Amino acid sequence: AAGVIQSPRHLIKEKRETATLKCYPIPRHDTVYWYQQGPGQDPQFLISFYEKMQSDKGSIPDRFSAQQFSDYHSELNMSSLELGDSALYFCASSSRDGANYGYTFGSGTRLTVV
Amino acid sequence: AQTVTQSQPEMSVQEAETVTLSCTYDTSESNYYLFWYKQPPSRQMILVIRQEAYKQQNATENRFSVNFQKAAKSFSLKISDSQLGDTAMYFCAFMILNAGKSTFGDGTTLTVKP
Repeated sequence: AAGVIQSPRHLIKEKRETATLKCYPIPRHDTVYWYQQGPGQDPQFLISFYEKMQSDKGSIPDRFSAQQFSDYHSELNMSSLELGDSALYFCASSSRDGANYGYTFGSGTRLTVV
Repeated sequence: AQTVTQSQPEMSVQEAETVTLSCTYDTSESNYYLFWYKQPPSRQMILVIRQEAYKQQNATENRFSVNFQKAAKSFSLKISDSQLGDTAMYFCAFMILNAGKSTFGDGTTLTVKP
């Protein structure tokens, strides 16, 4: 069965550079969630989209932006990268009320800022 | 705001034995869902089990079961017949009905020893 696809799997960037993370949800899922998981920490909610509109916003820095496209894939854009942005970034998808049944997560993108 | 607390940072269990991971949460909401997610060394987040707050019956999924005490706001995970593949970090998570975003606990690292 198709899962949530995230790319790239690993990314190394220098301070002050920009990064773009991509997420392709499970077919027919219209909602995407982005989480950030620092080393040894729990996932922190960043932002979510439903039907290409932002549906909720968490602790996402102003340097980050995200959007969901017409094919429901989503991109997280990160600018002016800082060392503290090094983390595992998860994307999850669900149908509109499907999150009630739990997320299906992608494998994550490990971002390292040097 | 909702909070989720996992008071056991690390636990270990012998293979084939039973272990219980604790989770407590705080909320003023009455309709919500609780989840346990597993994150093995591969870092993939996997849904283990879910519980609807309006259901008194405890959820069970094969070797995994929960003890849901709504009044006490407690949601523990019992793993029976532990297997080496159960070695992972386990996150308890809370979600308000239809809210979409989840709040995660700090996680419990479980090691199953041969």
